[in-house]
Amino acid sequence: EAGVAQSPRYKIIEKRQSVAFWCNPISGHATLYWYQQILGQGPKLLIQFQNNGVVDDSQLPKDRFSAERLKGVDSTLKIQPAKLEDSAVYLCASSVTGGVEKLFFGSGTQLSVL
Amino acid sequence: GENVEQHPSTLSVQEGDSAVIKCTYSDSASNYFPWYKQELGKRPQLIIDIRSNVGEKKDQRIAVTLNKTAKHFSLHITETQPEDSAVYFCAASGVGGYNKLIFGAGTRLAVHP
Repeated sequence: EAGVAQSPRYKIIEKRQSVAFWCNPISGHATLYWYQQILGQGPKLLIQFQNNGVVDDSQLPKDRFSAERLKGVDSTLKIQPAKLEDSAVYLCASSVTGGVEKLFFGSGTQLSVL
Repeated sequence: GENVEQHPSTLSVQEGDSAVIKCTYSDSASNYFPWYKQELGKRPQLIIDIRSNVGEKKDQRIAVTLNKTAKHFSLHITETQPEDSAVYFCAASGVGGYNKLIFGAGTRLAVHP
């Protein structure tokens, strides 16, 4: 079974620049999550999609972060403009159902904002 | 909302010893408690989980115990091996629907040969 694919693996940008991350979940997984993992902390949910609809984006800083999941398959997360505190690993995860059981994570995108 | 506290933040043991990581949660409605292992530079992977209708669950050298009254749960690793070295995260959530998985801050376990 292919895993959750994410790209790029690493990204270095300067503050105020824009950046986008891509995620392709496991085939057939209806639910897709974007997590932010700051160094030394546990993953924090940014947004959750069920198919192509947003279920929870309560912790997404909507003034600078946006995400979409067109056609209910792959997803992109964008930051515009980036701040220093956005430096983190951005993890994508998917699950078969809408529940949180058996989340499968991607390898993440490590973002450094200088 | 739910808050998950995890202790210790770092743990160093000798190969063959046991390791215990403890977590407490705040929301008494939470009833699903997974543990994830994250090796350096790799993705978090589910290693064991427990639901609130069970007090203990074992899988070979790892076990998880849950005390719903005290709102805490623990991960036990016996006969530790160097390949157990990683960061371990506990988490808590409701089951089903669109519940949110809240993670602890993680425990960095180092197993020394």
